[in-house]
Amino acid sequence: GESVGLHLPTLSVQEGDNSIINCAYSNSASDYFIWYKQESGKGPQFIIDIRSNMDKRQGQRVTVLLNKTVKHLSLQIAATQPGDSAVYFCAENGSSNTGKLIFGQGTTLQVKP
Amino acid sequence: EAEVAQSPRYKITEKSQAVAFWCDPISGHATLYWYRQILGQGPELLVQFQDESVVDDSQLPKDRFSAERLKGVDSTLKIQPAELGDSAMYLCASSNDRYEQYFGPGTRLTVT
Repeated sequence: GESVGLHLPTLSVQEGDNSIINCAYSNSASDYFIWYKQESGKGPQFIIDIRSNMDKRQGQRVTVLLNKTVKHLSLQIAATQPGDSAVYFCAENGSSNTGKLIFGQGTTLQVKP
Repeated sequence: EAEVAQSPRYKITEKSQAVAFWCDPISGHATLYWYRQILGQGPELLVQFQDESVVDDSQLPKDRFSAERLKGVDSTLKIQPAELGDSAMYLCASSNDRYEQYFGPGTRLTVT
């Protein structure tokens, strides 16, 4: 079946350090990937996305890397801040062409002051 | 900045009762999604609309769940009768293409 998973359920980093959150996906047909941030009691918030014709995309303090060879996705957050503390989900579109997203289990990022 | 609106934000209901959730997508977004998120897990798609038509409802428990988007704008998700296992966050998202989806704040349902 189609599934997206994250390597670590929890990641703890020191404020100011860089964070790297990893995600493995299983469907080779996926051509779109997206990262969301979800704070407690809120809906997922879009962070950054990437299409399969790219291997890297940068935003403000965030970078997404895509390695299609090993089906791996990562989110890098530079100079992590306390406000970055949240659960981070990766998602893929699988073999669907309708826009349906398949989410992983999530990684909780804890930022220590 | 345009946002997806959902109401209510919280709902407590007894099992066997009916419950309904409402979603108003970002203006102009033709695609609307309803997801269910169990605590500690990622969202799972229940139903997807393109304008007023259902595109995917393969994961919707149709014996108790129903969804509609009559005029292709706002949408209602209903559960009747509610069961204890339905306790979850119900999220609505919208998109103007088949890629980037924007989520609302969700409705937290507790079934007692």
